[in-house]
Amino acid sequence: DAKTTQPNSMESNEEEPVHLPCNHSTISGTDYIHWYRQLPSQGPEYVIHGLTSNVNNRMASLAIAEDRKSSTLILHRATLRDAAVYYCILRAPNTGTASKLTFGTGTRLQVTL
Amino acid sequence: EAGVTQFPSHSVIEKGQTVTLRCDPISGHDNLYWYRRVMGKEIKFLLHFVKESKQDESGMPNNRFLAERTGGTYSTLKVQPAELEDSGVYFCASSLQSTGNSPLHFGNGTRLTVT
Repeated sequence: DAKTTQPNSMESNEEEPVHLPCNHSTISGTDYIHWYRQLPSQGPEYVIHGLTSNVNNRMASLAIAEDRKSSTLILHRATLRDAAVYYCILRAPNTGTASKLTFGTGTRLQVTL
Repeated sequence: EAGVTQFPSHSVIEKGQTVTLRCDPISGHDNLYWYRRVMGKEIKFLLHFVKESKQDESGMPNNRFLAERTGGTYSTLKVQPAELEDSGVYFCASSLQSTGNSPLHFGNGTRLTVT
């Protein structure tokens, strides 16, 4: 599986934007970039995914580098409820054994008042 | 729309006993996955069902673990006999498709403690 590298932890002030980086230099041309987050005592929660173009949804934005070797998850206005571990995961396009998600250690985001 | 539900939320059993975990996926989701996180480790894939068939069971740790999905709806994961190292949180997820652009929806997990 192509691997991702994320900082272990980040801090943000409430109501400020947060940029969570992810490096994936060995990404294949067809891997999707997925982001999930896990709040305390909950299961992982899907945030956003993309392939080549930047993506926006109600939760966040995903900025993908032109060479696709890195991406950034953007939370436009962090709230205390955004404190979680954020996982950047590459997912192969095909079905079968390649479709599973491989979780790393993620980035623990702390949000303070 | 109801999300992925798992039962029980917590289970405490003694070593050597049997435990069965249940997962109800989102209605209409043919793909069902089991994952687990053991203490201090990363979340690891266990297996993947497409309807009632096992698509990928490469993550199942040993033959003490048996997953079923009869009828292609809910799934059960049985651990028999349980060992201390089986303690952890077991997550179930479902997705509409198994292609790379189909997100997974996770339940809140079952916390299993083997004493």
